[in-house]
Amino acid sequence: GENVEQHPSTLSVQEGDSAVIKCTYSDSASNYFPWYKQELGKGPQLIIDIRSNVGEKKDQRIAVTLNKTAKHFSLHITETQPEDSAVYFCAASRLGNKLSFGAGTTVTVRA
Amino acid sequence: GAVVSQHPSRVICKSGTSVKIECRSLDFQATTMFWYRQFPKQSLMLMATSNEGSKATYEQGVEKDKFLINHASLTLSTLTVTSAHPEDSSFYICSARPGSGGAGGYNEQFFGPGTRLTVL
Repeated sequence: GENVEQHPSTLSVQEGDSAVIKCTYSDSASNYFPWYKQELGKGPQLIIDIRSNVGEKKDQRIAVTLNKTAKHFSLHITETQPEDSAVYFCAASRLGNKLSFGAGTTVTVRA
Repeated sequence: GAVVSQHPSRVICKSGTSVKIECRSLDFQATTMFWYRQFPKQSLMLMATSNEGSKATYEQGVEKDKFLINHASLTLSTLTVTSAHPEDSSFYICSARPGSGGAGGYNEQFFGPGTRLTVL
């Protein structure tokens, strides 16, 4: 099955700086890569996703890049704000299959 | 759009009792719903996948007789924890995936807010 590794496990950044979280996956047939943000005591919220037919996708301050050859994808958050503090999960799956999640990254934005 | 609700948000019960958690897709039809369990500071662990009108598929190690899942309609799935014990205390989260042509794409999952179960 799919195995997703996520790094780092914790990330502390100064407000206004950028944050980068990296994930690798094992199944070369995976073609869907979402990122979720989870605040304390809440369910995960889809913030951005990318499919294997594109290499990069951007939505305001958030961007995701995908390198299919190397089997890794990354989340980039620019101009971080205190409200970006949360746990972020990457995931990967094949079409129609279940998601395999990374272990999560706790992001803390220092004011 | 793509809102998923869960009820209750929090439940405390005595050991040996059964607890039912509801998961509803409010503005789309969900052909597939997923149930996850999450322990503190850990990732989401998939428990089972349910398709409307058919039996749920459980992940290895998850007892199907203990965690009963019913997906009776395209907008509702329920998880019943039977004979709950303290080790079942956890954060239970459902997600829903729209059918083809729905609110999302072919793989997007939308998560509910979670249910905190505490078994005394």
